[in-house]
Amino acid sequence: DVKVTQSSRYLVKRTGEKVFLECVQDMDHENMFWYRQDPGLGLRLIYFSYDVKMKEKGDIPEGYSVSREKKERFSLILESASTNQTSMYLCASRLAGALDTQYFGPGTRLTVL
Amino acid sequence: DQQVKQNSPSLSVQEGRISILNCDYTNSMFDYFLWYKKYPAEGPTFLISISSIKDKNEDGRFTVFLNKSAKHLSLHIVPSQPGDSAVYFCAASAGNNDMRFGAGTRLTVKP
Repeated sequence: DVKVTQSSRYLVKRTGEKVFLECVQDMDHENMFWYRQDPGLGLRLIYFSYDVKMKEKGDIPEGYSVSREKKERFSLILESASTNQTSMYLCASRLAGALDTQYFGPGTRLTVL
Repeated sequence: DQQVKQNSPSLSVQEGRISILNCDYTNSMFDYFLWYKKYPAEGPTFLISISSIKDKNEDGRFTVFLNKSAKHLSLHIVPSQPGDSAVYFCAASAGNNDMRFGAGTRLTVKP
């Protein structure tokens, strides 16, 4: 069974703080993804990574950066958190070249005050 | 610009009846379509998929239909069960990492 874990289920931060969201997968998947889920907007891709040290911008990368130093770990960084980044953040992983399913973590609900 | 649209934010059906969830897309390059199911406080889980070379794929109680000319797909659940109550996301891919999700439809199956 593929397991994708995220470091926190709930997180509350203040405006301007630097925030790190961690994601770890245990199935040696090359591809990893960060999404945010907002009501009425579904899942929107922030960044994805094909492999270690590789990253690509998704649809809404502004205000975010990522880090992939090890294959199993993909971090999302909010350099200076803002209230409009309050959201549910979902990490996913997938085998390279696989057309089908991505495996998702349980999500981190981030609130920025 | 939402390339994948789920126009019904919610759907309520009686246990034992059919649930039909709909999804429309605008990008004709999409060639692979998926449905994910999401329970509260959990990540989405893969449910069923269909390639553009097919018009139907069935897996137990779940069937996905694809109408390429209308750029429309639907998920049929029959018979519906209370445990099917969840948010369902439609997703489409153009054969690479470029997957797009719809806004989701919340299905409630009443006992």
